[in-house]
Amino acid sequence: AQTVTQSQPEMSVQEAETVTLSCTYDTSESDYYLFWYKQPPSRQMILVIRQEAYKQQNATENRFSVNFQKAAKSFSLKISDSQLGDAAMYFCAYRRGGATNKLIFGTGTLLAVQP
Amino acid sequence: EAGVVQSPRYKIIEKKQPVAFWCNPISGHNTLYWYRQNLGQGPELLIRYENEEAVDDSQLPKDRFSAERLKGVDSTLKIQPAELGDSAVYLCASSSQDEKETQYFGPGTRLLVL
Repeated sequence: AQTVTQSQPEMSVQEAETVTLSCTYDTSESDYYLFWYKQPPSRQMILVIRQEAYKQQNATENRFSVNFQKAAKSFSLKISDSQLGDAAMYFCAYRRGGATNKLIFGTGTLLAVQP
Repeated sequence: EAGVVQSPRYKIIEKKQPVAFWCNPISGHNTLYWYRQNLGQGPELLIRYENEEAVDDSQLPKDRFSAERLKGVDSTLKIQPAELGDSAVYLCASSSQDEKETQYFGPGTRLLVL
């Protein structure tokens, strides 16, 4: 069975600094997708970034980028120039490729941004 | 474009009472998901619909939970009777093939069973 592990329950970063959130996963599949979702106190789960496993290039969305290490089954999220609005719970998620499939989430990392 | 809509946002009920949640997915999204998120955890899938067909309901507690997606658009998730352990956030998500089935979530319904 596929699993997703986030080993950092909480992280803190100073405003304008850079922070990296860790995620590892376990799968025997070759076709899959990885995601980072942000969940602020309002509880709306917001997509931050998506990575297809077949792509070697790391995905980037403005201040957010990932370090995808397929052999190590690692998928970390880097947030550059952190802003107060980045404070939220961040979830790493895995989805098997092919037909539509469920997301498997980690337990989340609570990010605090200090002014 | 409107996102996934859910109602109500909050619900407080006493145990053994019934409760229902409603979800309207993003227009054109054929796939609809219901997830449950317990406190301090990531969401877990309850049921997945392809149009009006439930294609994965293996995690749905069928003795008390039911769901429907008539006409393949909006969906209702029901609990009857509710138990204390059902207190959680219920999230609805939708996806389409055009976006490689990336799932977009609604704001969720927070249920408290007393």
